[in-house]
Amino acid sequence: NAGVTQTPKFQVLKTGQSMTLQCAQDMNHEYMSWYRQDPGMGLRLIHYSVGAGITDQGEVPNGYNVSRSTTEDFPLRLLSAAPSQTSVYFCASSTRLAGGTTDTQYFGPGTRLTVL
Amino acid sequence: GDSVTQMEGPVTLSEEAFLTINCTYTATGYPSLFWYVQYPGEGLQLLLKATKADDKGSNKGFEATYRKETTSFHLEKGSVQVSDSAVYFCALSGDTGGFKTIFGAGTRLFVKA
Repeated sequence: NAGVTQTPKFQVLKTGQSMTLQCAQDMNHEYMSWYRQDPGMGLRLIHYSVGAGITDQGEVPNGYNVSRSTTEDFPLRLLSAAPSQTSVYFCASSTRLAGGTTDTQYFGPGTRLTVL
Repeated sequence: GDSVTQMEGPVTLSEEAFLTINCTYTATGYPSLFWYVQYPGEGLQLLLKATKADDKGSNKGFEATYRKETTSFHLEKGSVQVSDSAVYFCALSGDTGGFKTIFGAGTRLFVKA
């Protein structure tokens, strides 16, 4: 199992450009999510999905779109990049416990994004 | 809503010292509790977990006990090594959070040789 993979590892964008961060998992997990991690700060949830075709907003969704057409893939789209989106982005997947709560989250290695 | 509070860092220890990182939570019902570790330049990975009161999670010499009476899940290790230098996150997954995992702010640990 490759686990959770993310591409690219590093990316530099200019303000106003758009791009897609790729995320894939091969563990057949129902739940997938995107977080951003800024220096000295914890994780903030951007968007999440509880299954193919189902997505919802986290705490910092503005400027980002997601879709989930398959169980395996959960891409994150930056619509018009801004310097405030400079961050490290992590994708994670998990199974669910009885009752619907989240079990262990498996994280990808991250994408380090700089917006100039 | 659900929340997690963990001690602020950084924590600096000498090799072989005893480690405690405090974590307390607020949640209704019976959440599952986790400790994740993040090494430099990497994503988070599970260190240990406990899914019900009085359970003890353990891994790689680290331990934490789910204490419902004090709503705590403190991380301990008897003798830290330089290789334990990392950021540690306490987290919970509870009924009122639905899908979401609630993470603490993280505690950075430096271990000196």
